[in-house]
Amino acid sequence: GNSVTQMEGPVTLSEEAFLTINCTYTATGYPSLFWYVQYPGEGLQLLLKATKADDKGSNKGFEATYRKETTSFHLEKGSVQVSDSAVYFCALSGGSYNTDKLIFGTGTRLQVFP
Amino acid sequence: DGGITQSPKYLFRKEGQNVTLSCEQNLNHDAMYWYRQDPGQGLRLIYYSQIVNDFQKGDIAEGYSVSREKKESFPLTVTSAQKNPPAFYHCASRTGNSYNSPLHFGNGTRLTVT
Repeated sequence: GNSVTQMEGPVTLSEEAFLTINCTYTATGYPSLFWYVQYPGEGLQLLLKATKADDKGSNKGFEATYRKETTSFHLEKGSVQVSDSAVYFCALSGGSYNTDKLIFGTGTRLQVFP
Repeated sequence: DGGITQSPKYLFRKEGQNVTLSCEQNLNHDAMYWYRQDPGQGLRLIYYSQIVNDFQKGDIAEGYSVSREKKESFPLTVTSAQKNPPAFYHCASRTGNSYNSPLHFGNGTRLTVT
């Protein structure tokens, strides 16, 4: 079945450092890919998405490119801020079975220090 | 503003009790979902419903029940709660059956069983 694998956390960075959080997926066909963010004490929010190969999703300075050849959707940001400290989840839905269930990775905690 | 309301935010129960978690949405979304998040883990699907009066089991449905009598409401009952580390329960919704559309989440309910 479909699955998502994320790098383990926590990821600890200083403010203004470059961020990469790796995400790879297993699915047949062309699933839609998502990044969600969970700030402390809050529910999950959609950060960005991509629905077809080579699409780039972007929001709040974060970017991720849908790479079909490497089955990856890595999250990047050029200069992180303390306010970016949160848990980030990679997720997918769709694919050959057109399932509308959203499948999540285990989440990666990001801690940014001033 | 439209959104998803989960209540209460924190819930405490004794082992063996039944407990019902509330989820209401005013987004006019057809599909609703319940996920559980255990400490240090990703979200796992408990139940989902694509239309009123219909719902399907997710990956960890055992020990849970749901109902979908109204489009706006999708309550989750934990039958005979077990003593475990506190878990977060996330309710979400999305439009129709499109796997491209993102989920909208509530702020979650943290259940502690003693």
